[in-house]
Amino acid sequence: DAKTTQPTSMDCAEGRAANLPCNHSTISGNEYVYWYRQIHSQGPQYIIHGLKNNETNEMASLIITEDRKSSTLILPHATLRDTAVYYCIVRVAGSSNTGKLIFGQGTTLQVKP
Amino acid sequence: EAGVAQSPRYKIIEKRQSVAFWCNPISGHATLYWYQQILGQGPKLLIQFQNNGVVDDSQLPKDRFSAERLKGVDSTLKIQPAKLEDSAVYLCASSLMVGSGWGALGEQYFGPGTRLTVT
Repeated sequence: DAKTTQPTSMDCAEGRAANLPCNHSTISGNEYVYWYRQIHSQGPQYIIHGLKNNETNEMASLIITEDRKSSTLILPHATLRDTAVYYCIVRVAGSSNTGKLIFGQGTTLQVKP
Repeated sequence: EAGVAQSPRYKIIEKRQSVAFWCNPISGHATLYWYQQILGQGPKLLIQFQNNGVVDDSQLPKDRFSAERLKGVDSTLKIQPAKLEDSAVYLCASSLMVGSGWGALGEQYFGPGTRLTVT
């Protein structure tokens, strides 16, 4: 699976949009981009995933560049409860894949009042 | 819908002792994962089951760690004997499916974890 690079930490003001970048320059054509987050003392939580089109759900939006070498997770109106470590993961899809997630260090997002 | 259940939530043992963790996945989820998360790091997969068969245990230290999922539902992870470096949070996750052609894989649902301290 391709490696991802994320900033170690970011701050965001409450109510503003949080934009979390991720670089995955070695991503392959059959690899999806997944985002999980981990709130303190909890297990990771799935947020969103995409292949090449932009995706949106009730939690966030995922913007993937045309060359697929980077992506941005957008939390449109960050709240204090969004303070967490955010993990960007690229993951192969296919019948031969085991489905395991390879977590990096992630980005610690601190939402401030 | 009930989430992934794990017990105990906390455990403190001395080195060389044994410990076991239990996980009950979401009902109907065929795939079960055990991850180890050392403080300050992301989770690392130890073992993955599909029903009661092992799919991936390449990162499991088999000289001291073992895991089973006898009836394809709940699972136990055991460490015997424990070392200081085993201090970590042990996370269990489950998902509906794995590897269905070229479609996206099922998302994983994580339990709250068991925090192990080895002294």
